[in-house]
Amino acid sequence: EVQLLESGGGLVQPGGSLRLSCAASGFTLSNYAMSWVRQAPGKGLEWVSSISASGGSTNYADSVKGRFTISRDTSKNTLYLQMNSLRAEDTAVYYCAKRKLGGYFDYWGQGTLVTVSS
Amino acid sequence: QSVLTQPPSVSGAPGQRVTISCTGSSSNIGAGYDVHWYQQLPGTAPKLLIYGNTDRPSGVPDRFSGSKSGTSASLAITGLQAEDEADYYCQSYDSSLSGYVFGTGTKVSVL
Repeated sequence: EVQLLESGGGLVQPGGSLRLSCAASGFTLSNYAMSWVRQAPGKGLEWVSSISASGGSTNYADSVKGRFTISRDTSKNTLYLQMNSLRAEDTAVYYCAKRKLGGYFDYWGQGTLVTVSS
Repeated sequence: QSVLTQPPSVSGAPGQRVTISCTGSSSNIGAGYDVHWYQQLPGTAPKLLIYGNTDRPSGVPDRFSGSKSGTSASLAITGLQAEDEADYYCQSYDSSLSGYVFGTGTKVSVL
């Protein structure tokens, strides 16, 4: 059974950093592309970043480019999102999602809340 | 901000049929990229409902169906049930943004 479990969220001050983790089970991370998607309180879904199955290609939304870095550790079957220079508008629930070749997200984690506030 | 536009809300009585539109542009849906749909029940993570414009993952009732034409797509729910009350999002890829895009979301209410 595919499972994705995010962790690492919390309260951080503007300008601070946070690293999110997504532990995958039931499949091998290195065989699939993965993504982070976020949802601000009461708002819609926003794609944040993706990493290819090989790990050699990464993409970012303009809103986080230069501040966020997606990576993975295949030995731990874990996906990461390093978030630097955090802003109030980054406050959201962050979901990791497994991405299929067709460009859709077939499995989602339960999400982890990131709150950026002083 | 979202580049795929959906109506904020739709409603219907139990048993009725409702449709949700998803309007894009020539850089996403109109460029031939597939449209996918997700259901998000209150307080939970999104769940894949329709992929590749029309296909349902196993376990999704055939009351849910998708279609695509030109720069738009639609999700139809027939035989509306109370358990269908949720937020629904369309999703595609945008070549101008070089990234994935979601719709603005539609709240479905069962009267």
